[in-house]
Amino acid sequence: GAGVSQSPSNKVTEKGKDVELRCDPISGHTALYWYRQSLGQGLEFLIYFQGNSAPDKSGLPSDRFSAERTGGSVSTLTIQRTQQEDSAVYLCASSLQPASVPGELFFGEGSRLTVL
Amino acid sequence: KQEVTQIPAALSVPEGENLVLNCSFTDSAIYNLQWFRQDPGKGLTSLLLIQSSQREQTSGRLNASLDKSSGRSTLYIAASQPGDSATYLCAVIRDNAGNMLTFGGGTRLMVKP
Repeated sequence: GAGVSQSPSNKVTEKGKDVELRCDPISGHTALYWYRQSLGQGLEFLIYFQGNSAPDKSGLPSDRFSAERTGGSVSTLTIQRTQQEDSAVYLCASSLQPASVPGELFFGEGSRLTVL
Repeated sequence: KQEVTQIPAALSVPEGENLVLNCSFTDSAIYNLQWFRQDPGKGLTSLLLIQSSQREQTSGRLNASLDKSSGRSTLYIAASQPGDSATYLCAVIRDNAGNMLTFGGGTRLMVKP
């Protein structure tokens, strides 16, 4: 597609439920990132996928968080047994690898998650 | 661990003013530094990217400078307009850290007509 697409744009869920957030990167981009932006906080790195390599999961805050990327394209971020502190905007970004300019990322508009 | 700080956290100026946003980082070993704009409820739009070998980049009314040795970058906005109102984020990529960006907390800018 023309840009990074994320869905849903807004998700309201009850504490304890599982949620799935989807990211469709720019066509041809081999690198995909998930970031979290909590109210009043900066962007927090969650996970990074690059081609067929093992993902860098160093930013995942707990084992309730997981992500997969199927076929090197679409990615799903899953949060199990959601807690109120999971409420945030989850941003996905993609880039070419190797990038023409290192670190040039293109962001989607995010999925706003509210856990009641 | 790289830490990125942005000052001020919020700024309100009248239309037409020139302004400077500041970004500092603790580890000078960076590949590049980017400035992003984020409108409410939206994703991030890349404004300027300065590679570590460069000292500044310009795009229209925006000019970003980088002093890698002192761990500082500034974003200069000339002749500000109400449409410039947004949150401005700086982010760095550290050498040999893949492409993981470390972000500052942002400066929330309001330009009043």
